[in-house]
Amino acid sequence: KQEVTQIPAALSVPEGENLVLNCSFTDSAIYNLQWFRQDPGKGLTSLLLIQSSQREQTSGRLNASLDKSSGRSTLYIAASQPGDSATYLCAVLTGTASKLTFGTGTRLQVTL
Amino acid sequence: DAGITQSPRHKVTETGTPVTLRCHQTENHRYMYWYRQDPGHGLRLIHYSYGVKDTDKGEVSDGYSVSRSKTEDFLLTLESATSSQTSVYFCAISEAGVGSYNEQFFGPGTRLTVL
Repeated sequence: KQEVTQIPAALSVPEGENLVLNCSFTDSAIYNLQWFRQDPGKGLTSLLLIQSSQREQTSGRLNASLDKSSGRSTLYIAASQPGDSATYLCAVLTGTASKLTFGTGTRLQVTL
Repeated sequence: DAGITQSPRHKVTETGTPVTLRCHQTENHRYMYWYRQDPGHGLRLIHYSYGVKDTDKGEVSDGYSVSRSKTEDFLLTLESATSSQTSVYFCAISEAGVGSYNEQFFGPGTRLTVL
């Protein structure tokens, strides 16, 4: 059974700092990995999708890497801003059921 | 944002009553999903659909049924609501199914409270 872990569970950083969020998964037979952002009381916003054959994806100040063999992904956020404050979730797509397995998220707070 | 709406957005109901949640999409995507989100468990797949009238179970399907009579609508029904079904329910859609191009987009969620 696929399990996804995100460390740390919560993180507080001052504005302007670069930061890394970690995601690990137990079964390397994945189709892809998706990073999402969730604001309090809101739905999930897809940030980046990395296909299993890719090593990284970039979107603006976000860069996500994937090391499938070791079961790890990182989300790098450059020059953090207060508007980046949210919960970040990673999810891996596995199996024949198009099933996304989610981690429990990292709650990020960027302070002024 | 992907064109996904969920209704109702909030609902309070009593144990034993039937409840139906609706997901509507304007993207004409083939695949639709229902997840629930609970503290400490993350999001878990309840049911999904891979076409009109084609549905299958996810990992937490007990007590739930689904129907999809049109491409744009996916209904989740709790036949007899229980307090353990108090949760936030999210609908998602994707254009592709199995494979690396399956990128899922989520609706705003429905907060359901069963008293």
